[in-house]
Amino acid sequence: DSGVTQTPKHLITATGQRVTLRCSPRSGDLSVYWYQQSLDQGLQFLIQYYNGEERAKGNILERFSAQQFPDLHSELNLSSLELGDSALYFCASSASGRGDNEQFFGPGTRLTVL
Amino acid sequence: GESVGLHLPTLSVQEGDNSIINCAYSNSASDYFIWYKQESGKGPQFIIDIRSNMDKRQGQRVTVLLNKTVKHLSLQIAATQPGDSAVYFCAENRDKLIFGTGTRLQVFP
Repeated sequence: DSGVTQTPKHLITATGQRVTLRCSPRSGDLSVYWYQQSLDQGLQFLIQYYNGEERAKGNILERFSAQQFPDLHSELNLSSLELGDSALYFCASSASGRGDNEQFFGPGTRLTVL
Repeated sequence: GESVGLHLPTLSVQEGDNSIINCAYSNSASDYFIWYKQESGKGPQFIIDIRSNMDKRQGQRVTVLLNKTVKHLSLQIAATQPGDSAVYFCAENRDKLIFGTGTRLQVFP
């Protein structure tokens, strides 16, 4: 158990809908990262937050957004969903926002768009 | 472009044998690499890391080798066990993790 929690574990929805994925980092970790894992694209970095502020952006679509709240939990919002958005979404946390800090991954949310 | 890639998609080894999983990278400025293990239904789990000022690092039953000349790193698992069956990713850590495509390690009795 990494100490990172993600909810829900599974999510099934229809095209055009909007969903919110939630992540709670390990106790004491200030940085949260979101990754998408799909069969054709592999594991890809989406976005990073550090202590409530956006720190880095990766291959995140404009239809996707995220935020980190004062209690350090984070939410990833996916809107206007398409079939291709079906994937595993992982959250990771680290103590700081520095690149040399180990990232601990949550169990993921499996999103299926029908 | 920048990429981190793996040579083989699947590696099958017999229990007790040593496993070697390879990874190539393209950015010569890369200086920090991490190996992750992902079991079915779980998130990636840190195994071992190495920085560019080293060419070898050992952990418990695992060794990572880094060859900066040819931009290649490998993960060696000694005395492979059934519990080692998983997908293994190399990743470059530059604040964000850039993952390779992964190698599935299958251990058979």
